[in-house]
Amino acid sequence: AQTVTQSQPEMSVQEAETVTLSCTYDTSESDYYLFWYKQPPSRQMILVIRQEAYKQQNATENRFSVNFQKAAKSFSLKISDSQLGDAAMYFCAYRSTDAGGTSYGKLTFGQGTILTVHP
Amino acid sequence: GAGVSQSPSNKVTEKGKDVELRCDPISGHTALYWYRQSLGQGLEFLIYFQGNSAPDKSGLPSDRFSAERTGGSVSTLTIQRTQQEDSAVYLCASSLTPTYEQYFGPGTRLTVT
Repeated sequence: AQTVTQSQPEMSVQEAETVTLSCTYDTSESDYYLFWYKQPPSRQMILVIRQEAYKQQNATENRFSVNFQKAAKSFSLKISDSQLGDAAMYFCAYRSTDAGGTSYGKLTFGQGTILTVHP
Repeated sequence: GAGVSQSPSNKVTEKGKDVELRCDPISGHTALYWYRQSLGQGLEFLIYFQGNSAPDKSGLPSDRFSAERTGGSVSTLTIQRTQQEDSAVYLCASSLTPTYEQYFGPGTRLTVT
């Protein structure tokens, strides 16, 4: 079974600064997807960014980028030019691509990191 | 178009009562998922429906939990004889197919007193 670990329960950043959230995972699969989701106090989970394991290039979405280190099984999220609206709980998640496997389709989440943005 | 909707938004029930939580997925999405978010267990998978295939129930914590999806659309998660440890936020998500992004609803916060 796959596991996802976020070792930072809480992080804080000053507005306009950069912050990096860490995530490590464990899997025996060679192909999979990794995601970062944001959950503000409204509870709505919002997809921030996704990375396909077979792609070496790190994914980028505007101010959000990842550092994907497949060999190290590490998947960190960098938020540049932080904004007050970035304050939320951030979850790292794993999804298998093995259609015949028991983990297909479902997301395995890390414990989450609460991000506070100071004005 | 409308996103995933869930009802009720909040539910308070007495221990031992049965509850039903509803999820309306995005129209046309064949895959539907239920997750539970609690302080002690974090975010955990409960059950997954894909088209007309038998659901993957591997995440259901006990036989008090069941779910169905009618007509390939609306899903209902039923918890029988609720216990205090069932208190959590229950999140529903849907995706076009299992290989596409999952879109989440706002969740139902269940409180068992």
